[in-house]
Amino acid sequence: TQLLEQSPQFLSIQEGENLTVYCNSSSVFSSLQWYRQEPGEGPVLLVTVVTGGEVKKLKRLTFQFGDARKDSSLHITAAQTGDTGLYLCAGATGGYQKVTFGTGTKLQVIP
Amino acid sequence: DTGVSQDPRHKITKRGQNVTFRCDPISEHNRLYWYRQTLGQGPEFLTYFQNEAQLEKSRLLSDRFSAERPKGSFSTLEIQRTEQGDSAMYLCASSEPGVGLPQETQYFGPGTRLLVL
Repeated sequence: TQLLEQSPQFLSIQEGENLTVYCNSSSVFSSLQWYRQEPGEGPVLLVTVVTGGEVKKLKRLTFQFGDARKDSSLHITAAQTGDTGLYLCAGATGGYQKVTFGTGTKLQVIP
Repeated sequence: DTGVSQDPRHKITKRGQNVTFRCDPISEHNRLYWYRQTLGQGPEFLTYFQNEAQLEKSRLLSDRFSAERPKGSFSTLEIQRTEQGDSAMYLCASSEPGVGLPQETQYFGPGTRLLVL
């Protein structure tokens, strides 16, 4: 069974602070995605990383895929209240790219 | 087409009743997925269709659950004899294989939140 564990599980920070969310697994994935989900809505894709060691930036968000393609991190610089939500990593393997989701990190940014 | 839609958005039912949910994917997408998500957790894979063919079912999908995609467009997920443990958000996603990408993008619907009393 492929298990993706995220840490921390909960994070409450002040607006303007920086934070990092981690996604770890003992399994190798062909690619890894990060999603953000708001209450009552479905997850929305933020980024896909496919190469070991790859770093992608999306405005204030920086995503990194581990060299061995088993782990990933999401770093947010100068958090804003609009960043509040559930952040999910998801690893893909298999012929049709079946996706396994992580346990989630609930982020609250306080004004 | 503005995205994946699901109906209903909320469903409250009594234990033992049957419920059916509908998912309309993005029109040109041939792949459709169902997931279940409990509060504060990540979605768990339930089943996958390519066109009208159901290609994989999770062990989570007991014999009380059945999913169909008869014409390769919309899909339905039925739960028979609901139990309180079935209470969750049921998410649908659709995708089409990305050209040159190992990972296709799955677009999620807003989900159907089920509460079994």
